[in-house]
Amino acid sequence: AQSVAQPEDQVNVAEGNPLTVKCTYSVSGNPYLFWYVQYPNRGLQFLLKYITGDNLVKGSYGFEAEFNKSQTSFHLKKPSALVSDSALYFCAVREGNNFNKFYFGSGTKLNVKP
Amino acid sequence: DGGITQSPKYLFRKEGQNVTLSCEQNLNHDAMYWYRQDPGQGLRLIYYSQIVNDFQKGDIAEGYSVSREKKESFPLTVTSAQKNPTAFYLCASSEYNEQFFGPGTRLTVL
Repeated sequence: AQSVAQPEDQVNVAEGNPLTVKCTYSVSGNPYLFWYVQYPNRGLQFLLKYITGDNLVKGSYGFEAEFNKSQTSFHLKKPSALVSDSALYFCAVREGNNFNKFYFGSGTKLNVKP
Repeated sequence: DGGITQSPKYLFRKEGQNVTLSCEQNLNHDAMYWYRQDPGQGLRLIYYSQIVNDFQKGDIAEGYSVSREKKESFPLTVTSAQKNPTAFYLCASSEYNEQFFGPGTRLTVL
């Protein structure tokens, strides 16, 4: 069965420090992985995706994510956090056999303190 | 502008009433989705449609209904059978490898 786990409900980091938001997945076939960000009372905005190729994927707003096949992980990272990065982050995986079905993690709230 | 629109942004309903949430997209995507979001529970799939005149139940379809008569439109009806409808509802569309989301509708049952 396909699933996504975000083990941390909340991540706290000081502005200027590096941040990591964790995601692990389980999927049949090759994984198609995504990160989205949500600001209060808004829809989800696409940050980045891994389909194939380099394990380090660069996305919007200075975010990047590292695909690790052996650990079935796709952690979101940023070298230097901004207060404006504070939001809810979702990891998602596309079902291998049904390319139109996506599975989302429960979300991680990122708090960046000045 | 290309994208997904949802209306209304806020919706209030009395118990026992059916309400319909609108979702329209001009991205020419075949697939469309409805998700429900509750605090601390992430997104749960209600219904999805891969093509016009076809749709499938998601994980929490009870108390909801949908139609897909046009490629651009995928309205969601929250019926009186839905016992706890107060939530934030998100519509999305996709083509191949990415989903695009609308701004959401917050439904409150009074």
